[in-house]
Amino acid sequence: AQKITQTQPGMFVQEKEAVTLDCTYDTSDPSYGLFWYKQPSSGEMIFLIYQGSYDQQNATEGRYSLNFQKARKSANLVISASQLGDSAMYFCAISNTNAGKSTFGDGTTLTVKP
Amino acid sequence: NAGVTQTPKFRVLKTGQSMTLLCAQDMNHEYMYWYRQDPGMGLRLIHYSVGEGTTAKGEVPDGYNVSRLKKQNFLLGLESAAPSQTSVYFCASSDRDGQPQHFGDGTRLSIL
Repeated sequence: AQKITQTQPGMFVQEKEAVTLDCTYDTSDPSYGLFWYKQPSSGEMIFLIYQGSYDQQNATEGRYSLNFQKARKSANLVISASQLGDSAMYFCAISNTNAGKSTFGDGTTLTVKP
Repeated sequence: NAGVTQTPKFRVLKTGQSMTLLCAQDMNHEYMYWYRQDPGMGLRLIHYSVGEGTTAKGEVPDGYNVSRLKKQNFLLGLESAAPSQTSVYFCASSDRDGQPQHFGDGTRLSIL
């Protein structure tokens, strides 16, 4: 079984500041992928960033970076220089390779204040 | 670039009716997934497929059936709709397991 825990139901950040969204995971599979998705109020799911369990370096995609701490089983998302358009729900997810199953957390609602 | 297309986008059913949701992807992906999202919650996996002709159960499969007769299409069926199945349904695809998934825009389904 695999599990994702997002302990922050809601977060606020001032525009142009950085924010960290927490994600911890549990899995017995040594090979897996960790993902972050953004869901704006319009409802679509937007892929942001991916980290493989064997990747040595933390993933980065523009203003998004993933703080991957394998021993602690955490995969926090860092958004730098927040923008008003970053206001959305953010989901952390895990997908075990060779298993076909994906598990999502309950999400964190981020609100960026002007 | 269509990506993943879901039809219909909205539907209202009466309890006991049946319907099929269609998901089509044009990226030649092997893996396809059906999720449901209830208000204020994350996505829960209903069924998934690792290739044409294959399907498998996810976390919440009861009350749903799926078929993957063609690689590009993944159908989700509700045989006898229940109010508890009111939700937003998302389809997704990926080129292989453990890789990022591409999502459709969702189908909002209400069962009265």
